[in-house]
Amino acid sequence: GQNIDQPTEMTATEGAIVQINCTYQTSGFNGLFWYQQHAGEAPTFLSYNVLDGLEEKGRFSSFLSRSKGYSYLLLKELQMKDSASYLCAAHSGAGSYQLTFGKGTKLSVIP
Amino acid sequence: KAGVTQTPRYLIKTRGQQVTLSCSPISGHRSVSWYQQTPGQGLQFLFEYFSETQRNKGNFPGRFSGRQFSNSRSEMNVSTLELGDSALYLCASSTDFSGNEQFFGPGTRLTVL
Repeated sequence: GQNIDQPTEMTATEGAIVQINCTYQTSGFNGLFWYQQHAGEAPTFLSYNVLDGLEEKGRFSSFLSRSKGYSYLLLKELQMKDSASYLCAAHSGAGSYQLTFGKGTKLSVIP
Repeated sequence: KAGVTQTPRYLIKTRGQQVTLSCSPISGHRSVSWYQQTPGQGLQFLFEYFSETQRNKGNFPGRFSGRQFSNSRSEMNVSTLELGDSALYLCASSTDFSGNEQFFGPGTRLTVL
């Protein structure tokens, strides 16, 4: 079966660094997505990792270890606007677009 | 470039009724996926269409169905509505299945009374 685990909630201070972990067990794994979703809004794309390693994109970085079924999203220099839910999703299925989402990590950034 | 649009944005129905939701993908996108989002279960994959063909289906009962038209617009239908079908229904479009970014629409908030 498909299983994605991530913490339910996290709190961090403005200007700090926070790491959101995600572990997955899926068949036919192709890659790992991270999405950001503000309350009442649609998810927006942050990153997609296919190969092992760290990919940096401005204040956000994402890491993948395929052998460990593990990924994390690293947010640096936190801003209040980063308060949102962060969803990790495993991309699986050859020749099709099927994403299995975790339940999301609600991040609260406090002053 | 216009984003993904979904209509209606809000819908209230009663148990036993059926509902049709519509999604217009970004121009040029041929893959459309549908998701159900609830507080308890998070985002769950319903199905994905590509060039009018259903390529993949999630673990939902047969009451949930969909289709895609030649212009890539997609509809999903839920028959015999149940209280548990109350959710945000999101559609997302992409250019293909290679792992490119999926762009989500604003969703349709369905409430079943």
